[in-house]
Amino acid sequence: TQLLEQSPQFLSIQEGENLTVYCNSSSVFSSLQWYRQEPGEGPVLLVTVVTGGEVKKLKRLTFQFGDARKDSSLHITAAQTGDTGLYLCAGLGTYKYIFGTGTRLKVLA
Amino acid sequence: GAGVSQTPSNKVTEKGKYVELRCDPISGHTALYWYRQSLGQGPEFLIYFQGTGAADDSGLPNDRFFAVRPEGSVSTLKIQRTERGDSAVYLCASSLTYNYGYTFGSGTRLTVV
Repeated sequence: TQLLEQSPQFLSIQEGENLTVYCNSSSVFSSLQWYRQEPGEGPVLLVTVVTGGEVKKLKRLTFQFGDARKDSSLHITAAQTGDTGLYLCAGLGTYKYIFGTGTRLKVLA
Repeated sequence: GAGVSQTPSNKVTEKGKYVELRCDPISGHTALYWYRQSLGQGPEFLIYFQGTGAADDSGLPNDRFFAVRPEGSVSTLKIQRTERGDSAVYLCASSLTYNYGYTFGSGTRLTVV
């Protein structure tokens, strides 16, 4: 069974701080995605990474795929209140993405 | 349509009743997925359709759950003899094919009382 563990589970920080969210598995994934979900809505795709060691940047968000393609991280620089939400990683299993346990981020003004 | 549409947005039903949840995917998306999400958790896979056929239904928890996609577009998730443990948000997603990014609907919040 492919499992994706995210840490931390909860994170509350002040606006302007930096943070990193981790996504770890014992399984190798051919691709990994990150989503953000707000209350009452479905997850929204942020990025897809497919190559070990790959780094992608989306404004203040930096995503990295581990060299062995078993883990990933999301780093947010100078967090804003609009970054508040549930962050989910998802690894491609057999024909479907398996979602991680989620990190709930709250950015305080 | 422009996005994935799920109806109803909320459903309250009594234990033991039958419910149907509908998903209207993005036009042209051949892959369709159902996930279930409990509060604060990641979505849990239920079933994957490629076209009209269920390519993977390994996530359906038991035989009370069934899903169809008869014309390769709209899908319906059917739950018989609902139980309180079925209460969750049921999410539908579609994509061009299985390894593309998903577009999710806003979900149906099912409450079994």
